[in-house]
Amino acid sequence: DAKTTQPPSMDCAEGRAANLPCNHSTISGNEYVYWYRQIHSQGPQYIIHGLKNNETNEMASLIITEDRKSSTLILPHATLRDTAVYYCIVSYPSNTGKLIFGQGTTLQVKP
Amino acid sequence: NAGVTQTPKFQVLKTGQSMTLQCAQDMNHEYMSWYRQDPGMGLRLIHYSVGAGITDQGEVPNGYNVSRSTTEDFPLRLLSAAPSQTSVYFCASSYSRGWDGYTFGSGTRLTVV
Repeated sequence: DAKTTQPPSMDCAEGRAANLPCNHSTISGNEYVYWYRQIHSQGPQYIIHGLKNNETNEMASLIITEDRKSSTLILPHATLRDTAVYYCIVSYPSNTGKLIFGQGTTLQVKP
Repeated sequence: NAGVTQTPKFQVLKTGQSMTLQCAQDMNHEYMSWYRQDPGMGLRLIHYSVGAGITDQGEVPNGYNVSRSTTEDFPLRLLSAAPSQTSVYFCASSYSRGWDGYTFGSGTRLTVV
């Protein structure tokens, strides 16, 4: 599986968009980009995933660059409850549970 | 639909004791896995299973055993607890080979003294 690089921490003002970057320059053609978050030592929560096209769901948007070497998770209107550690993971979907979590980005949403 | 249920939520063991962490899911998910999370660190994969009767090792399997006799249950056994196994343990499951993400349990906080 490709490795990812994320900034260790970021701040965001409440109500503003939070843009969390992830670098995955060694990603392979069939590997997907997954995003999870972990709020205050709870179990991780799946957010979104994508292959090459931009994706959007009720929680967030995922922007993947054309060369697929990096991506950005966007929380359009961050709230205090979005304060969490965000993990970017690159994996083959058929890797059957072998999600490799790195250190992630700690997002602090401030009032 | 309870999702992924882990028991117990908290446990204190003495060095050398054995115990089983329970994980059950009621979503008919084929894929299940165990992770540990040490303070200030990301999750590390211990063992995973692609279906009943099939298991495999992850990043940090030493000191742990698993089995998968049913689709619903995936227990994690600590053979002889050591202080280095003090951690938070998470179980996760997925229906469609992880295509739509994994559902995690709320964790078991284990302390070995």
